[in-house]
Amino acid sequence: ETGVTQTPRHLVMGMTNKKSLKCEQHLGHNAMYWYKQSAKKPLELMFVYSLEERVENNSVPSRFSPECPNSSHLFLHLHTLQPEDSALYLCASSQNGRGGGQTQYFGPGTRLLVL
Amino acid sequence: AQSVAQPEDQVNVAEGNPLTVKCTYSVSGNPYLFWYVQYPNRGLQFLLKYITGDNLVKGSYGFEAEFNKSQTSFHLKKPSALVSDSALYFCAVRDISKAAGNKLTFGGGTRVLVKP
Repeated sequence: ETGVTQTPRHLVMGMTNKKSLKCEQHLGHNAMYWYKQSAKKPLELMFVYSLEERVENNSVPSRFSPECPNSSHLFLHLHTLQPEDSALYLCASSQNGRGGGQTQYFGPGTRLLVL
Repeated sequence: AQSVAQPEDQVNVAEGNPLTVKCTYSVSGNPYLFWYVQYPNRGLQFLLKYITGDNLVKGSYGFEAEFNKSQTSFHLKKPSALVSDSALYFCAVRDISKAAGNKLTFGGGTRVLVKP
């Protein structure tokens, strides 16, 4: 449970606010991920960072801006969000390399409500 | 493209009875398969995975899953369910080919309710 931490756990923001979500992994992994979990929808992969380089961006609106300053930290900067962006945002990390099958370990998530 | 289907939105089972959560997948190559569990207001917790080798995989909390290549299935099972197993369960797949990268595709989830 404490391998991947996320702050804040809950966030309420207006559509004109700017806020950031933070994720930190203590597992020595080299890849980090942001997912969005909405009610009644499958988990959606948003961004993937491998060795601090963004390797995937799943057509996410520009109002979401990721940042990965080092292999242990991942941020999601939020600005001018819409009510439909309200969801649980999950961070995950994995150790990627040869052989495949790398398990992703998840943080507890940030529950975001956009008013 | 890779995809996962969990055909049941909810599974109800009495405590002490066997629990099965179904999962089928589609990949162009060979799969890596995963099961995760999510308790209320928590992140996803890894249960078990199939990479290669024995088709029967044992994981945490007494859960196991059987990889069936001909049926493209990876059903999660527990011989005797506990009330504390009530949660949301997710199956996930990754294509083994390099082209798929590290992308995991998740199923829609199955809610398990174990009644005393």
